[in-house]
Amino acid sequence: ILNVEQSPQSLHVQEGDSTNFTCSFPSSNFYALHWYRWETAKSPEALFVMTLNGDEKKKGRISATLNTKEGYSYLYIKGSQPEDSATYLCAFLARDNYGQNFVFGPGTRLSVLP
Amino acid sequence: GAVVSQHPSWVICKSGTSVKIECRSLDFQATTMFWYRQFPKQSLMLMATSNEGSKATYEQGVEKDKFLINHASLTLSTLTVTSAHPEDSSFYICSASLGPQETQYFGPGTRLLVL
Repeated sequence: ILNVEQSPQSLHVQEGDSTNFTCSFPSSNFYALHWYRWETAKSPEALFVMTLNGDEKKKGRISATLNTKEGYSYLYIKGSQPEDSATYLCAFLARDNYGQNFVFGPGTRLSVLP
Repeated sequence: GAVVSQHPSWVICKSGTSVKIECRSLDFQATTMFWYRQFPKQSLMLMATSNEGSKATYEQGVEKDKFLINHASLTLSTLTVTSAHPEDSSFYICSASLGPQETQYFGPGTRLLVL
């Protein structure tokens, strides 16, 4: 069973603060790493799909990096706003000769206080 | 982003009945659809992956005779919880994508309560 961990479990920051959190995953059989953002009462929304070691992706104030050799990805939010409050999920896709596995982490719940 | 709908959003049923949940991709043709289940205070657990026109691939521990998945077209997949029991009460959510490793577009989820 693949283990995908995220830390911290929850985070409270003030509006304007920058923040980051971590997704850890197995370093073997890596195929892709997804980041999603899930606001309460809405559907999870795709942020990034990352496939290459050293990938850096950016979408507005949110960016992510990927290290497949050591098995982690960081998500950064610059100048947090209350509308950034959500649960951020990473999902790890592994693929080998027998098939593929797609596993979500438990998420980091971010609350941005005005 | 792409829009995925799910119906119904809420269902309450008696133990022993079967419940069908529909997942539709409204503005794109989804080669692959995923079905997830979320237990309280836990993350999304992948139940199965379905590709249009072929049998679904179930994750370990998920009973395929209990959770019937049909992906008959590129815009519709259904999950039927057969002979539902209280332990099947959960939040079920689907997603659709252009391929198994591509970005997933999620539906709003279906909350099932089995009495």
